Amino acid sequence: AQTVTQSQPEMSVQEAETVTLSCTYDTSESNYYLFWYKQPPSRQMILVIRQEAYKQQNATENRFSVNFQKAAKSFSLKISDSQLGDTAMYFCAFIQMYSGGGADGLTFGKGTHLIIQP
Amino acid sequence: DGGITQSPKYLFRKEGQNVTLSCEQNLNHDAMYWYRQDPGQGLRLIYYSQIVNDFQKGDIAEGYSVSREKKESFPLTVTSAQKNPTAFYLCASTDWVGGTDTQYFGPGTRLTVL
Repeated sequence: AQTVTQSQPEMSVQEAETVTLSCTYDTSESNYYLFWYKQPPSRQMILVIRQEAYKQQNATENRFSVNFQKAAKSFSLKISDSQLGDTAMYFCAFIQMYSGGGADGLTFGKGTHLIIQP
Repeated sequence: DGGITQSPKYLFRKEGQNVTLSCEQNLNHDAMYWYRQDPGQGLRLIYYSQIVNDFQKGDIAEGYSVSREKKESFPLTVTSAQKNPTAFYLCASTDWVGGTDTQYFGPGTRLTVL
């Protein structure tokens, strides 16, 4: 079974600083995807960024980028120029793809509560 | 607007009662999922369905049941056999056939057992 570990239950940084959230995962398979989801106080799950395991290039989305280290099974999220609206729970998630397409459900870490201080 | 809707937003249940949580999507997605979220925990998979009239158990299916009679609907029933049902429930969908690997989530239902 796959597992996802987020070792930082809570982090706090000042507005405009850069922050990195850690995530490690465990799998013996090779065809998978990794995601970071954001859950603000509204509790709506919002996709932040995704990474295909077969791609070596790290994904980026505006101020958000990942450091994907496949051999180390590490998938950290970097938030640059942090903003007050970035305050939320952040979940790392993994999904194993079937060889013929499709997949089971996502496996989530327990989350990191990120607080951006003004 | 296209999206995923869940109802009700808040639900209260007495012990021993079955309750059904609604999940509807108009995204034409084939696959739908139910997750449970407890305080301080990530989401855990309850059930999922890749196509109509077919569904599979997830990691914590005991005490829950589902149906998938229509592509756009995937209701979840929390039965009296679920010993600790108070939690936040999230529904998601994705379109594997269309090449989408990302799951999109509804706004959730907060279930409280009185």
